[in-house]
Amino acid sequence: EVQLVESGGGLVQPGESLRLSCVASGFNFSPYWMSWIRQTPGKGLEWLANIAPDGDDNYYLDSVQGRFTVSRDNARNSVYLQMNSLRAEDTAVYYCARENWYVDSWGQGTLVTVSS
Amino acid sequence: DIVLTQSPAILSFSPGERATLSCRASQSVSTYLAWYQQRPGQAPRLLIYGASNRATGIPARFSGFGSGTDFGLTINGLEPEDFATYYCQQRITWPRTFGQGTKVE
Repeated sequence: EVQLVESGGGLVQPGESLRLSCVASGFNFSPYWMSWIRQTPGKGLEWLANIAPDGDDNYYLDSVQGRFTVSRDNARNSVYLQMNSLRAEDTAVYYCARENWYVDSWGQGTLVTVSS
Repeated sequence: DIVLTQSPAILSFSPGERATLSCRASQSVSTYLAWYQQRPGQAPRLLIYGASNRATGIPARFSGFGSGTDFGLTINGLEPEDFATYYCQQRITWPRTFGQGTKVE
C-alpha cells in the first residue's frame, strides 16, 4: 500500500523557517516526481513545487519561488520542503504528493500556522 | 496561469440521483485534466485523469468528459459516500492549477 507521511508542521512566527518532511513507503520511490501541495479555506488547493526523480529539476509556484526549496533523498525515500521567510498567508495544510502525470497518492497533510 | 472555474460552488442532490459537475478552463488544456474527490478531514483522492479515464479502484458510476476548455464529471446514482467536494486540476502547463471546487451536498 502506498503511504506518504508528512511531518514538521506547527506554529511559527512570521519571518521564521520550517522544514517539512515526507517519508514514502509501499512503492519504488526513486522513479517518481514528487510534489508539495497546500490547501487553505480561502485559496483552495495550490500546487507549490515539484521535484524530478533524480532531484535535478523542479518547479515552483511564483508566490513561493525564492522562499521555499524542495529536495529529496532517494536513499531515505523522503522528500522535503524548506520554507523560509514564512508569512501569515502561508498558513495552510501542506500535502506531500506522488505525481504520476496527476497526483495519484496524497499524504494525510500537516498543518502549518504562521502567526505572531 | 490557467484558471479553472467550477460553478456553482454547491450542488444539492438526493441519494440515487445523477449529478453533473462542470469545470471550465481559461485556455485549452486539451485533455490534460483530472478530477479529485475530497471528503471532510481527508486528503483529495484521484477519480478521473486524462479527462475521461477512471483511476484505479474508482467505481464505474463516476465518468468524466470534455476536452479543450469545457469538462464535466458525472456521478450516476449518488451513494451516501459521494457527498463530498470535487476539484478539477490541469497539468498541461506549470503552474498546475486547481478549480475552487464544487461541494455536492
